Amino acid sequence: AQTVTQSQPEMSVQEAETVTLSCTYDTSESDYYLFWYKQPPSRQMILVIRQEAYKQQNATENRFSVNFQKAAKSFSLKISDSQLGDAAMYFCAYTGGSQGNLIFGKGTKLSVKP
Amino acid sequence: GAVVSQHPSWVICKSGTSVKIECRSLDFQATTMFWYRQFPKQSLMLMATSNEGSKATYEQGVEKDKFLINHASLTLSTLTVTSAHPEDSSFYICSADTGLGTEAFFGQGTRLTVV
Repeated sequence: AQTVTQSQPEMSVQEAETVTLSCTYDTSESDYYLFWYKQPPSRQMILVIRQEAYKQQNATENRFSVNFQKAAKSFSLKISDSQLGDAAMYFCAYTGGSQGNLIFGKGTKLSVKP
Repeated sequence: GAVVSQHPSWVICKSGTSVKIECRSLDFQATTMFWYRQFPKQSLMLMATSNEGSKATYEQGVEKDKFLINHASLTLSTLTVTSAHPEDSSFYICSADTGLGTEAFFGQGTRLTVV
């Protein structure tokens, strides 16, 4: 069975600094997708970034980038120039090519200090 | 991006009554929708996969007779919590994908409180 592990329950970063959230996963599939979702206090799930496993290039979305290490099954999220609005729960998620449903990690609560 | 609307956003009901939660894809057709449950300060756990025109597939440990799922059209899936009890109080979230890619679009979620 596939699993997603986030080992950092909480993280804190100073405004304008950079922070990295860790995620590891386990799967025997070769075709899959990885995601980072943000859940603010409103609890609306917001897609931050997506990575296709077959792509070697790390995904980037403005201040957000990932370090995807397929062999190590690692998928970390880097947030640059952190802003107060980045404070939220961040979930790492996995989906296999044929399943559709998402498997989530336990989440990391990110605090941003002014 | 695609829009998924979930209603109601919050509901309070008495123990023993049933509550229906709707999940609609507003600008696309969703043959498959997913229902998740999230307890306070915890992650999202898949409850069931809702397939248009067929029976839902439930995850292990989820009572199908308690959590009734109906996916009667390509744009609507409903979750009915039957004979609700306080332990059913939770945050329920649906999601759907367009079938064109792998991005899931989430509803706003429903906070259910059973008193």
